[in-house]
Amino acid sequence: DQQVKQNSPSLSVQEGRISILNCDYTNSMFDYFLWYKKYPAEGPTFLISISSIKDKNEDGRFTVFLNKSAKHLSLHIVPSQPGDSAVYFCAASGYGFGNEKLTFGTGTRLTIIP
Amino acid sequence: DTGVSQNPRHKITKRGQNVTFRCDPISEHNRLYWYRQTLGQGPEFLTYFQNEAQLEKSRLLSDRFSAERPKGSFSTLEIQRTEQGDSAMYLCASSLAGAGANVLTFGAGSRLTVL
Repeated sequence: DQQVKQNSPSLSVQEGRISILNCDYTNSMFDYFLWYKKYPAEGPTFLISISSIKDKNEDGRFTVFLNKSAKHLSLHIVPSQPGDSAVYFCAASGYGFGNEKLTFGTGTRLTIIP
Repeated sequence: DTGVSQNPRHKITKRGQNVTFRCDPISEHNRLYWYRQTLGQGPEFLTYFQNEAQLEKSRLLSDRFSAERPKGSFSTLEIQRTEQGDSAMYLCASSLAGAGANVLTFGAGSRLTVL
């Protein structure tokens, strides 16, 4: 069963506008959430994370929002730049020793249109 | 430190052959993970080590797969009697147990093509 879901396989956004990528999860034991970015022929690169005790975390142009009651998180990129074109993976992990392995979604391909 | 290094980057083999992939993690990281990624999917957890101890194996890791981390540094992932369904990208990642354990640093991956 897919415990982390990214229902939009692709998204196109005009340069300078906001990109919003969504992610849903089903496992209520997930406690920590991350976004990774992947370029072709490279491994996933960590972007931003959020703990379940928060509902928002910002890092420059990137903001992650967490709605625990809806089991939903989103990544906002403002303003979007051409270099943001990549595949974005949402990932989740549990709490405590031995539960830190990541469960990934299927990814969303973001294309920024110049 | 140059990050997580994986070799070879690409391996083409015939069905039934054995293949081995190597991962060199970030030197100060004591956790090492193996993931597999197929087309259109996200990375799927296979196994992980803390130092030399293999702490968890996924049900995806059939008995044809074996992973080792003999001295708690580099790791190898061996696939015996390869099948076409083994064709995938094999990703290695490392992290430091403790506060940063959830944030994995990935290598570029080893792509396996089984003919």
